[in-house]
Amino acid sequence: DAGVTQSPTHLIKTRGQQVTLRCSPISGHKSVSWYQQVLGQGPQFIFQYYEKEERGRGNFPDRFSARQFPNYSSELNVNALLLGDSALYLCASSLYQLAGELFFGEGSRLTVL
Amino acid sequence: RKEVEQDPGPFNVPEGATVAFNCTYSNSASQSFFWYRQDCRKEPKLLMSVYSSGNEDGRFTAQLNRASQYISLLIRDSKLSDSATYLCVVFTNSGYSTLTFGKGTMLLVSP
Repeated sequence: DAGVTQSPTHLIKTRGQQVTLRCSPISGHKSVSWYQQVLGQGPQFIFQYYEKEERGRGNFPDRFSARQFPNYSSELNVNALLLGDSALYLCASSLYQLAGELFFGEGSRLTVL
Repeated sequence: RKEVEQDPGPFNVPEGATVAFNCTYSNSASQSFFWYRQDCRKEPKLLMSVYSSGNEDGRFTAQLNRASQYISLLIRDSKLSDSATYLCVVFTNSGYSTLTFGKGTMLLVSP
């Protein structure tokens, strides 16, 4: 069975641009969460979606947005990119909304120049 | 005080050693606790859940002290393959569920 898949795996953008990251959860998983991991830090929670509704939002500016589609895949959008947005963006899926066991994808590594 | 605090390390130990990692959390309403493992430039993976009664999985033992808001992970008989970053994770449900990760503790096991 396929695990969590994310695309693209690597991308380079310049300041002010916009980026869309995509995630497909494990089949049967209805919850998708997004995390940002800066080098040397633990993952920081950005959003959680469950059954296509936003169920949680971390302390990130409004430049960050996300959505979940009827097939439970998800997109994370970041507008007006800043240098500080350079990070590994991790998508995680879980069976339930309230779950401690998350299955992470390999991440999308974003570099902002 | 940070929500989840860990000693970043690195902890350098020889094969066969016993090593312990500690973690403290600030939100007394936190409900569940976990240790995740993250290999270099890879995604985090669940290592084990942490229960109040303490739990063991092979060479790994996790303990939780709710009164002190303290979590620990003990690794016995360290293997080279244990080299990784160990992330302490706290689950809180306060209207919506949040998993809060610590910065991680790096372990380097040498021959």
